[in-house]
Amino acid sequence: EIVLTQSPGTLSLSPGERATLSCRASQSVSSNYLAWYQQKPGQAPRLLIYGASSRATGIPDRFSGSGSGTDFTLTISRLEPEDFAVYYCQHYRSSPPEYSFGQGTKLEIK
Amino acid sequence: EVQLVETGGGLIQPGGSLRLSCAASGFTVSSNYMGWVRQAPGKGLEWVSVIYSGGSTYYAASVKGRFTISRDSSKNTLYLQMNSLRAEDTAVYYCARGASYYGSAYFAFDIWGQGTMVTVSS
Repeated sequence: EIVLTQSPGTLSLSPGERATLSCRASQSVSSNYLAWYQQKPGQAPRLLIYGASSRATGIPDRFSGSGSGTDFTLTISRLEPEDFAVYYCQHYRSSPPEYSFGQGTKLEIK
Repeated sequence: EVQLVETGGGLIQPGGSLRLSCAASGFTVSSNYMGWVRQAPGKGLEWVSVIYSGGSTYYAASVKGRFTISRDSSKNTLYLQMNSLRAEDTAVYYCARGASYYGSAYFAFDIWGQGTMVTVSS
């Protein structure tokens, strides 16, 4: 089983600042199958990034993903008020098929 | 409009059974890979099950042997049959569509329903 560990658990920043969220895998994983989601209270998750660095449809370009191997990063270049939420990374392993999520990073207003 | 709507949640006693439904609109369920993801109260996301367009199904270890994913093409609907329910199955259950871009599957989920709450308690 691949374990995804996200850090920090909580990130306190102000609108306009840059946010850097980390996702570390317990073993090397394929970048093709690394995704990031945003979830706001009472809402379903929203896909932000797939393939480690490609933005999903309709996602603003202030969101970017990077990384390879075991270390992946979600960066929000300039925080907007609507960006404060919980963020999850997710990975897919093909053999046997298994989807795993990180425990989440809460991005809160400072 | 591409949309997923889950129904079927509720309060059920331990050991009981429940079937969740997920009605899709704007796309064809059987042409996509589809999954169920759950979220216990105040907790993170946990993958439950997936069904691929070819019909193959897979489950998380925590539900294997108790849950069954299926689909009905005539109704364009995804299902999750949940048997032998336990208190730890209490969660919001989301259905979601698998993400494919430029003809390639990326094994993420791009369209999500609003979720349906399942509470297992006596």
